[in-house]
Amino acid sequence: KAGVTQTPRYLIKTRGQQVTLSCSPISGHRSVSWYQQTPGQGLQFLFEYFSETQRNKGNFPGRFSGRQFSNSRSEMNVSTLELGDSALYLCASSLDRLAGGLISTDTQYFGPGTRLTVL
Amino acid sequence: AQSVTQPDIHITVSEGASLELRCNYSYGATPYLFWYVQSPGQGLQLLLKYFSGDTLVQGIKGFEAEFKRSQSSFNLRKPSVHWSDAAEYFCAVGAQNTGNQFYFGTGTSLTVIP
Repeated sequence: KAGVTQTPRYLIKTRGQQVTLSCSPISGHRSVSWYQQTPGQGLQFLFEYFSETQRNKGNFPGRFSGRQFSNSRSEMNVSTLELGDSALYLCASSLDRLAGGLISTDTQYFGPGTRLTVL
Repeated sequence: AQSVTQPDIHITVSEGASLELRCNYSYGATPYLFWYVQSPGQGLQLLLKYFSGDTLVQGIKGFEAEFKRSQSSFNLRKPSVHWSDAAEYFCAVGAQNTGNQFYFGTGTSLTVIP
């Protein structure tokens, strides 16, 4: 089974621009989460999508947004880029086995990340 | 508030020596605990996880971890370190029925000397 894939792997943008990152989860996984990794702040949770709905959200400004498509692929968008947005953005997918309306917590499998540099 | 502490920012061990990486968590709900490893420029690879049951869990690459509820700890161990184990190690915690919002420690960088 193919792992989590993220595109592009590297991006260079300038301040004020916007960027869209893409994540394809492991086949059959319905949950996709996004994390920002920086040397100063470590790994910080951005948001989680499950069945095309945002299920959890971290403490990031509204410039950070995301969505999930019916095939579970997810995109995140950062508008009006700032220098501080330079980071490795990691996507993770989970199977989520529970049914009956229960919220599952499951093992997350990470992609290789997208390295965003803002100049 | 939920938090994960990895007290050791950097650890250096000799190849063949034993290793223990510390992790302490603070979480109000029943924790799900994970250890991930990250090589430079790469994503995170799952080493092992604890959801319930036996508090000593085995993972890949010869790693194991022990969940101690009384100490709020989930330390990672390996009896004999290999040079290829040099990497960054992250402890993470999630909670039952809350979705997949994980909290990560700041990581421990492992250097292995021959």
